[in-house]
Amino acid sequence: GDSVTQMEGPVTLSEEAFLTINCTYTATGYPSLFWYVQYPGEGLQLLLKATKADDKGSNKGFEATYRKETTSFHLEKGSVQVSDSAVYFCAQSGGGTSYGKLTFGQGTILTVHP
Amino acid sequence: DAGVIQSPRHEVTEMGQEVTLRCKPISGHDYLFWYRQTMMRGLELLIYFNNNVPIDDSGMPEDRFSAKMPNASFSTLKIQPSEPRDSAVYFCASSSQTRGEQYFGPGTRLTVT
Repeated sequence: GDSVTQMEGPVTLSEEAFLTINCTYTATGYPSLFWYVQYPGEGLQLLLKATKADDKGSNKGFEATYRKETTSFHLEKGSVQVSDSAVYFCAQSGGGTSYGKLTFGQGTILTVHP
Repeated sequence: DAGVIQSPRHEVTEMGQEVTLRCKPISGHDYLFWYRQTMMRGLELLIYFNNNVPIDDSGMPEDRFSAKMPNASFSTLKIQPSEPRDSAVYFCASSSQTRGEQYFGPGTRLTVT
């Protein structure tokens, strides 16, 4: 079935460091891919998305490229800030009988120190 | 747009009591989802609706849980009777068929003592 696997966390970085959070997926068909962010005490917020192969989603300095050949959608940011500390979720859209549903990864906790 | 609205934001109740969580989706969205989040189990999809009709309730943990969507602008998730292991944050989300991404509410933090 459809699944999403994220790199194990937590991830701890110093301010201005480079960030990569790996995400791979298995799917039947061609899903849309998403990154969500959850700040403490809040709901999940859509960070970026890509709907087809080779698309790059970007927002707030974060970016991710839909790689069909490696079934990946890794999240990157060139210089993280303390305010980026949050939990990051990779997700894919379902197709067929699960149309409309998102399958989420387990989440990766990011902590950025000054 | 006001976004997805959930109420109450916090609920503390005693074991055995009935709990009702409420959700108002974004206007025009035709999908509505109920999730539960805990440290142990992460984010779990409980049930989702399309055009007010339940599509998949396989994530509902027990018969104690029920969900309804009487119209396009309102849904409830009910737990009766509640148990301490139901303590979690419950999220409602909505989406549009044409766009796919889901928009989450702020959540209801439920504590059952």
